Amino acid sequence: GNSVTQMEGPVTLSEEAFLTINCTYTATGYPSLFWYVQYPGEGLQLLLKATKADDKGSNKGFEATYRKETTSFHLEKGSVQVSDSAVYFCALGSSGTYKYIFGTGTRLKVLA
Amino acid sequence: GAGVSQSPSNKVTEKGKDVELRCDPISGHTALYWYRQRLGQGLEFLIYFQGNSAPDKSGLPSDRFSAERTGESVSTLTIQRTQQEDSAVYLCASSSRASLQATDTQYFGPGTRLTVL
Repeated sequence: GNSVTQMEGPVTLSEEAFLTINCTYTATGYPSLFWYVQYPGEGLQLLLKATKADDKGSNKGFEATYRKETTSFHLEKGSVQVSDSAVYFCALGSSGTYKYIFGTGTRLKVLA
Repeated sequence: GAGVSQSPSNKVTEKGKDVELRCDPISGHTALYWYRQRLGQGLEFLIYFQGNSAPDKSGLPSDRFSAERTGESVSTLTIQRTQQEDSAVYLCASSSRASLQATDTQYFGPGTRLTVL
């Protein structure tokens, strides 16, 4: 079945550091891939998405490229801020099913 | 409304009591999802509504859990005879297309934090 694997956290970085959060997936066909972010005390919100191979999703300085050859959708940001401190979830969705598959989440803490 | 709303935001109950959690999806969204998020863990899929119908209830953890949706709008998740292991944040999400296409963006509510003493 479909699955998503995320790197375990917490990830602690200093402000302006480079961020990578790894996400790999297993799926049949051509899934859509998502990154959701959950700020403290809030619900999940979409950060970015990509619907086909080689697509790059981007938002708020974050980027992720849909790599079918490595079945990955790693999240990157060149310079993190304290306000980026949150939990990040990688997710997968496919045609032919209504079920989305979420990773376990990676907590990011950015220190000033 | 502007977004998905859930109520109550927090619920503390005693073991054995019944609780009812409410979700108001974005107006016009035909697909509605319930998830459970235990402390430090990912999202656990519970149930999906396509309009007022739930095609698959197999994600519900036990027969103490039930959900309904009326008017293709409000949904309620009911947990009967709550147990301590039910303590979690219950998240609701909606999306615009009700079909076998899990490719649309989901819009999440803020969640209901349930604590069973």
